[in-house]
Parts: sequence; structure tokens; C-alpha cells
Amino acid sequence: AQSVTQLDSQVPVFEEAPVELRCNYSSSVSVYLFWYVQYPNQGLQLLLKYLSGSTLVKGINGFEAEFNKSQTSFHLRKPSVHISDTAEYFCAVSDLQFSGGYNKLIFGAGTRLAVHP
Amino acid sequence: EAGVAQSPRYKIIEKRQSVAFWCNPISGHATLYWYQQILGQGPKLLIQFQNNGVVDDSQLPKDRFSAERLKGVDSTLKIQPAKLEDSAVYLCASSPRQGAYLEQFFGPGTRLTVL
Repeated sequence: AQSVTQLDSQVPVFEEAPVELRCNYSSSVSVYLFWYVQYPNQGLQLLLKYLSGSTLVKGINGFEAEFNKSQTSFHLRKPSVHISDTAEYFCAVSDLQFSGGYNKLIFGAGTRLAVHP
Repeated sequence: EAGVAQSPRYKIIEKRQSVAFWCNPISGHATLYWYQQILGQGPKLLIQFQNNGVVDDSQLPKDRFSAERLKGVDSTLKIQPAKLEDSAVYLCASSPRQGAYLEQFFGPGTRLTVL
């Protein structure tokens, strides 16, 4: 069964500092990987996704993530954060179910990024 | 392009009462999802529709939860009767069609508090 582990529940960081949010997954089949962001009182918004090809994926708002198959990781990074990046970040994994071919997203518990001035 | 709409945004009820949530997906999106997000956890899929048919409801507590998408457009999720542990944010999402590679577009959610 699939599972997603986000290793840090909270990450405090100062403005303009770099940040890495860690994500590990377990799956017995090939997967697609996603990072979503949730701002206060809003729904989730896609930051970036890995489907295939280059293991370094660039997303919106200056975020990027690297897929590491051997370590089953998909860590999210940003070289310089802003106050406006304060939000909850969710890593998610999806694969094709063998019965019916439909997709199901499995989310991690989330990492709360708090950017301080 | 209008996003996914949900109502109400907030709801407070007593345990054993009934409640219903409404979702209108992005126009033309065939696939609709309902998620439950308990405080401190990631969203958990409750049910997935493809047009007006149910694709996956394996994690829907069917003794108290029900959902429908009669005309393949908007959808309603109902809880009857509610329990304290149903307190959560209920998120609706949609995508153009089924596909593990596709982005899901989320609504703002309905925050349910059961007292």
C-alpha cells in the first residue's frame, strides 16, 4: 500500500533563507509525485509535479523538487523564501490502481512552513 | 475561469444532527472528488465520481455518509447522523478526466464543527 511521510510537521525559517521540506513515499509501483500548497482558509493549489523524465522539477513561486528513486524521496526546496510563502505544504503520491485504472492521491500529513521577518 | 465552488464555508452542528455540503466543480470537469481533512492530517479521499458514476468510495463510512452527483455536474455530500469525530474540513476537487498524472483543482472547503 502507498504511504507518504513528511518528516517535519513544522519548519520555521527566516525570510530570504533557503528551505527544504522533506517527503518520502513507499509504493510498489511507478508513481507520480506532487506538491500542493494550502494557504490559510483556502483550498490546495498545485506547486509542481513529477511524472517522468528529468528528476529536477521546477514549479510556481520559485519552488523546485528533486525525485530520488533510490531513496524514494521527493524533497521540496526554495533558495530564498518570502513571508508570503507561509503556508501548509502537502506531498502526495498517485499511481494507477490495477482495478479500473483510476487514480487516487495519497497525501502526507503536511508541513507547516512559517517564514519570519 | 471560475474555480471549484463550495458551500457553506462553515457549519456548526450538534452530534446526531444531519448536515449537507454542496460542491460545483470547474465547468467541463468530468471527475469530482470529496476529501476529508482532519486537523493536523492530510486530505483523505472519501469518494470519487466520474461524471455521475462512483469510481471509488472505499473510504466512505457508508453507514452515515452519502454522496451524489445526479446530473454529472454539482455534487452533495451528506452526513447523517454526525459524530464528534466528523469535525474536519471537507474539500471538493475536480479534474478534467481521470488520470493519475492530472492536477486536481480544489475548492476552499467547508469547515464542520460537531459539538
